[in-house]
Amino acid sequence: SQKIEQNSEALNIQEGKTATLTCNYTNYSPAYLQWYRQDPGRGPVFLLLIRENEKEKRKERLKVTFDTTLKQSLFHITASQPADSATYLCAFSGNTPLVFGKGTRLSVIA
Amino acid sequence: EAEVAQSPRYKITEKSQAVAFWCDPISGHATLYWYRQILGQGPELLVQFQDESVVDDSQLPKDRFSAERLKGVDSTLKIQPAELGDSAMYLCASSRNPSRTGELFFGEGSRLTVL
Repeated sequence: SQKIEQNSEALNIQEGKTATLTCNYTNYSPAYLQWYRQDPGRGPVFLLLIRENEKEKRKERLKVTFDTTLKQSLFHITASQPADSATYLCAFSGNTPLVFGKGTRLSVIA
Repeated sequence: EAEVAQSPRYKITEKSQAVAFWCDPISGHATLYWYRQILGQGPELLVQFQDESVVDDSQLPKDRFSAERLKGVDSTLKIQPAELGDSAMYLCASSRNPSRTGELFFGEGSRLTVL
């Protein structure tokens, strides 16, 4: 069955460092990959979308990579700030609706 | 800025009771989704509408859940009877892109607690 794994349930980093979150998938060939941010008790908010033929996408301090050989996406936040603390969800889509991972809870410590 | 509206934000009910959630998507968004998110998990799709038609309800427990979008605008998700395991956040989302590749705009969700 299709499986999406976000390797870390929680990640703690120091302010100013780069946070790197990982998302892996199996038994799936997604055409698109999306990353969302979710604050406690709120709905997810879209951050970035990357297509399978794109290696990398950037938006301000955010960078996403998509490696179809490794079946993996990496999500980077550079110069992290306490305000970046949230749960980050990856999601794949293609011929099926968006399938979400469980999320990684990021805590940026001042 | 246009938002997806959901109500109620919180609902506490006893098992075997009926509950209903309402969603008003962003104007002009033809595609509407209902997701369920259990604490500590990612959202799971329950049903997808394109205008007033159901596109995908393969994960909707149809013995107790129903969803409708009669005029292709707002939507209602109903649970009857509610069970303890239904306690979760129910999220509504909409997208302007009728395909399955566009970004989703989520509402703030309806938190259900079944006692």
